[in-house]
Amino acid sequence: DSGVTQTPKHLITATGQRVTLRCSPRSGDLSVYWYQQSLDQGLQFLIQYYNGEERAKGNILERFSAQQFPDLHSELNLSSLELGDSALYFCASSAGIGTSGINEQFFGPGTRLTVL
Amino acid sequence: AQTVTQSQPEMSVQEAETVTLSCTYDTSESDYYLFWYKQPPSRQMILVIRQEAYKQQNATENRFSVNFQKAAKSFSLKISDSQLGDAAMYFCAYRVVGNEKLTFGTGTRLTIIP
Repeated sequence: DSGVTQTPKHLITATGQRVTLRCSPRSGDLSVYWYQQSLDQGLQFLIQYYNGEERAKGNILERFSAQQFPDLHSELNLSSLELGDSALYFCASSAGIGTSGINEQFFGPGTRLTVL
Repeated sequence: AQTVTQSQPEMSVQEAETVTLSCTYDTSESDYYLFWYKQPPSRQMILVIRQEAYKQQNATENRFSVNFQKAAKSFSLKISDSQLGDAAMYFCAYRVVGNEKLTFGTGTRLTIIP
């Protein structure tokens, strides 16, 4: 158990809908990262937040947005869902930012999103 | 752009034998980190081993070791005395120092033959 929690574990929805994925980082971690893993693919970095502020952005679609709240949990919002958005969405957390050592990222168990 | 290539989509090894998974990467950076992650059927991403690019000595974690060749931009993972629990997808990943983004390869599926 990495200490990172994600809810829900599974989510099934229809095209055009909107969903929210939730992540709680390890106790004390200030950085939260979101990754997308499509079928049989590696993970693609979406976005990172550090202490409530957006820190880095990857290949995140405009239909997707995220935020980190004062209690440091994060939510990833996916809207106007398409079949191709079906994937495993991982949240990871780390203590700080990259300038402070290796800053290992610890991954949550993921949320499996199925768009029908 | 940085890329990570894992040229072996699938590998298999007999239990108790040794297997090596390949990874190459492309970067113009000189200071970076390299990682191997394991993803068992549970889907959990588990860090297996990490290497700082400035360190010449290859990292070792119990039965797992790496062969880091900086000039060749190669970072292979050797698993010794393979066990059934080692069966998983293995992902090689790269991160530039000062940048939070992890760049992953497409993975190698490792099967352990009893």
